[in-house]
Formats: sequence, structure tokens, C-alpha cells
Amino acid sequence: GAVVSQHPSRVICKSGTSVKIECRSLDFQATTMFWYRQFPKQSLMLMATSNEGSKATYEQGVEKDKFLINHASLTLSTLTVTSAHPEDSSFYICSAFRRTGGITEAFFGQGTRLTVV
Amino acid sequence: SQKIEQNSEALNIQEGKTATLTCNYTNYSPAYLQWYRQDPGRGPVFLLLIRENEKEKRKERLKVTFDTTLKQSLFHITASQPADSATYLCALDMLTPKGRRALTFGSGTRLQVQP
Repeated sequence: GAVVSQHPSRVICKSGTSVKIECRSLDFQATTMFWYRQFPKQSLMLMATSNEGSKATYEQGVEKDKFLINHASLTLSTLTVTSAHPEDSSFYICSAFRRTGGITEAFFGQGTRLTVV
Repeated sequence: SQKIEQNSEALNIQEGKTATLTCNYTNYSPAYLQWYRQDPGRGPVFLLLIRENEKEKRKERLKVTFDTTLKQSLFHITASQPADSATYLCALDMLTPKGRRALTFGSGTRLQVQP
């Protein structure tokens, strides 16, 4: 199956700093990638849809100025958490979708555990 | 609004028994439904996909059923093993509140298989 690589897997940062998370699709081109956030014992919540070469689409309640998404190439999307606060501490997961014959296959990165202290 | 519901309570079973997890959805008619496994601190991993015209799908010890009338999917693990302990998520390709198509996940059910 396709591989999506996410980096870093863990990061601890100080309150007020920014953190960048990278998501790469290693063996297929992904015009669209998705960023999810997951709090403990909760489901994955879609934050935004990352579109190659254009602006990301953010879901309700997600601040676009706080969570900057860049999808500069068909294999790389980045999420930057700006001016991080302790409440931003969460598990962030990216996903690249491949649509084949009307079926969506989702391939997920390993996830990034962000802790803001 | 469209919803996906899974039993949020953990399911504890004895090794060797069959685990059955439930996924219900509302206000939607999906063309297919997917099941994923998620281990702590890891991203979900795809397990099975079942289409609307399929009543049942099997893969090794896994079996998924899909009842479009009841709007329900059941996920079975037979001869369960401690290594099957994980959270299992069902997912549908739905429209988000912002009108985008994306995989939307249920809250997941945590399965614990006791040796």
C-alpha cells in the first residue's frame, strides 16, 4: 500500500513558539491531503483540507491564521501551529487520499504528538 | 446532520472469543464504508472496505457486514488474540460541514482482548 510519512513524531515546544509538521506521500502524488487532530480518547476531527497549489480549506472552528497549511508540491504538505498554547497540545495526523474507481483510499501518517509547555 | 456513531465504551473479551463492534450512521446513504485500526500514538491503518451492494466481506479473521436499511455495519474479529487489542474506527466518505468530501470517522471503539 501507499506510504505517507509524517515528521516529527513527537515535539515539545514552549508556549508562544511555532511548530511545523511535515507530511509526505512517498509513492503517489496527492493533490489533496487532510489534516486531522485527535484529543485523548476522542475520534479524529478533520481540521483542514490541503490543496496543492491553492489555499487550504478549513473546517468550522479551526483558525486559519493559527494553523498554517502549505501544500507546495504533490508530495508534501506542511502544518504550522503558530504561537502555540497548551490547549493546542494534541495528536496531529495527516492523510493522503487516493481515489480509484470511485473509491477513496486513505493513507495516514504516523501522527505527531505535540506538547506545548 | 450526518452522523457516525460507535460505542464509545471499551469492549473487553477473552482470548479466543469473537469480538463484535458496531457502527451506525444517520442521514446518509454511503456507497461504501471502511474500517480502520488505530494503535495508541499511531495513525489509523486501513482494514476493510465494504460496498453498499455487499452484505458481507471477509479477510482472514475479520468479517464486516453492511445493512443499508438499518444504516449499520458490524465488524467481527473471530478467534480474537491479545494482539487484536486496539481502537477500531469506522469511516464514511462524507461531506463535511464546509461542503468538502473527506473521510469522516466514528469515535472508535477500544477493544481489549484478555489472555
